[in-house]
Amino acid sequence: EAQVTQNPRYLITVTGKKLTVTCSQNMNHEYMSWYRQDPGLGLRQIYYSMNVEVTDKGDVPEGYKVSRKEKRNFPLILESPSPNQTSLYFCASSLSGGGLGNNEQFFGPGTRLTVL
Amino acid sequence: QKEVEQDPGPLSVPEGAIVSLNCTYSNSAFQYFMWYRQYSRKGPELLMYTYSSGNKEDGRFTAQVDKSSKYISLFIRDSQPSDSATYLCAITFQGAQKLVFGQGTRLTINP
Repeated sequence: EAQVTQNPRYLITVTGKKLTVTCSQNMNHEYMSWYRQDPGLGLRQIYYSMNVEVTDKGDVPEGYKVSRKEKRNFPLILESPSPNQTSLYFCASSLSGGGLGNNEQFFGPGTRLTVL
Repeated sequence: QKEVEQDPGPLSVPEGAIVSLNCTYSNSAFQYFMWYRQYSRKGPELLMYTYSSGNKEDGRFTAQVDKSSKYISLFIRDSQPSDSATYLCAITFQGAQKLVFGQGTRLTINP
């Protein structure tokens, strides 16, 4: 089954404790992206990657890191989480990085993160 | 001014009603218009996609784009309880590396 998977689905942690949220897709997609979803703010892009070893900042990159060492994986790293990073996080992928106008984005199931 | 504005609702209607969901946008360069549906505890999934002004129909769903007014709509006919979800509009332009999402409208269809 073609899908985007994320782990963990739920995570409660404390301020300053480094964490990684994994994302994997099995569709051989070039483009991958991380979003956070907050009430009243919709989905905001954190980072995106057009292909292996090619990453760039989205609208809200502060406090996050990413890497793209393999085509299928795009982990999100919070080096020192803070309470304002409490949110619902989605990973997404699409076939091409050449423009999202005609490339459907497939979303993972989400990771609900709480930072105390 | 936000690039995309969407009334977050919530919107509650009886089964069988016609539902109208709307977004406005500010940048006339946007060319591609999408509606995503997000069920509770799930990721968004693409529902409708349009490129130009006009209407696009898919079963009970119609997407409408008015570029002159920078206004997009999603109509749901004969609404069903299974249509209860959050609907997000998303827009972008050729070559862009991101979608700009509206806040999402939470819709409930009551049996």
